[in-house]
Amino acid sequence: EAGVVQSPRYKIIEKKQPVAFWCNPISGHNTLYWYLQNLGQGPELLIRYENEEAVDDSQLPKDRFSAERLKGVDSTLKIQPAELGDSAVYLCASSLSSTSTDTQYFGPGTRLTVL
Amino acid sequence: EDQVTQSPEALRLQEGESSSLNCSYTVSGLRGLFWYRQDPGKGPEFLFTLYSAGEEKEKERLKATLTKKESFLHITAPKPEDSATYLCAVRMNRDDKIIFGKGTRLHILP
Repeated sequence: EAGVVQSPRYKIIEKKQPVAFWCNPISGHNTLYWYLQNLGQGPELLIRYENEEAVDDSQLPKDRFSAERLKGVDSTLKIQPAELGDSAVYLCASSLSSTSTDTQYFGPGTRLTVL
Repeated sequence: EDQVTQSPEALRLQEGESSSLNCSYTVSGLRGLFWYRQDPGKGPEFLFTLYSAGEEKEKERLKATLTKKESFLHITAPKPEDSATYLCAVRMNRDDKIIFGKGTRLHILP
């Protein structure tokens, strides 16, 4: 069974430029998460989707970040415009549902460098 | 304030030298506690879920335990391939939020 797929794996952009990350969750997983991970830190939740609905986006900086999950499958996370402080690894995870018994499976992440 | 604290930040052990990693939490209502392993350049890999105090789970050289305030990840006779960062995460009853600790970087010397 294929795991969570993310692309690109690496992205280097200049500040003020837009950038987008793509995530394909494990087939059949209804819940999708986007996390941000800074070096030496644990992942921090940005947004959680139940199917197409964003059920927790309280930590998403909405002035520059946006996300969508069309048809409840793939998801895209966008930053516009990017700032130097956005340099980090962006992780996508999925689970069957959001109950506590469901394991989150993580993708390899996208490492963003903003120059 | 809801918090998850892991200690130590880093740990170097000789191969075969057993030890424990700690994850202490202060949250308003625990729904579940998770342990993950993360290798450099990769996403976290699930290890264990614990739900109630007194619960224990084992996998190869790893054993996770849970009390009302903390969890331990015991590593018995570790091998160099156990070197990684070990992350602890807590899922709360309130808002169903998940908080990760900063992790413990474990290095096993051959």
